Amino acid sequence: EAGVVQSPRYKIIEKKQPVAFWCNPISGHNTLYWYLQNLGQGPELLIRYENEEAVDDSQLPKDRFSAERLKGVDSTLKIQPAELGDSAVYLCASSLDGGLYEQYFGPGTRLTVT
Amino acid sequence: SQQGEEDPQALSIQEGENATMNCSYKTSINNLQWYRQNSGRGLVHLILIRSNEREKHSGRLRVTLDTSKKSSSLLITASRAADTASYFCATSRNSGYALNFGKGTSLLVTP
Repeated sequence: EAGVVQSPRYKIIEKKQPVAFWCNPISGHNTLYWYLQNLGQGPELLIRYENEEAVDDSQLPKDRFSAERLKGVDSTLKIQPAELGDSAVYLCASSLDGGLYEQYFGPGTRLTVT
Repeated sequence: SQQGEEDPQALSIQEGENATMNCSYKTSINNLQWYRQNSGRGLVHLILIRSNEREKHSGRLRVTLDTSKKSSSLLITASRAADTASYFCATSRNSGYALNFGKGTSLLVTP
């Protein structure tokens, strides 16, 4: 069984440029998460999807961040425009029900904003 | 916000020794999970323990949960150099809630 796939693995951009991250969850997992992880910290939730619906996006900086999960499968997280402070690892995870079961994480995208 | 808090922040031991990491949390939970993260990689799920369970084992891993003290511990027995990683605890209040991760314990196992 394939795991959670993320691309790209690394991205370097200049500030004010846009950037997009893509995630393909494990087949059959209805719940999809995007996390942000700063160096030396645990993952922090950005947004959680149940199928196509974003059910928790309270931590998503909506002035510059957006996300979508079309057809309840793949998801894209976008930042526009990027700021220096956005440099971090962006993790995608999926689960049958993240509240009750384990989550499966992708390898993450390491973003560097210069 | 991060609810779980691991202790210690860093731990250095030699191969063959046991490693114990602790996690404290603040609100009531449905379950508590432990994850491992190798440098530059994604998180890997280790063990899930539910609020009505007190102890769980998986290979060389042993997890305990004390809901009265709002704390959990992860014991890795007979550690190996390959166990070198960061270990995170994460709590969930119930179905429909996201996991809240702590800041992690960085474990270094030297040969």
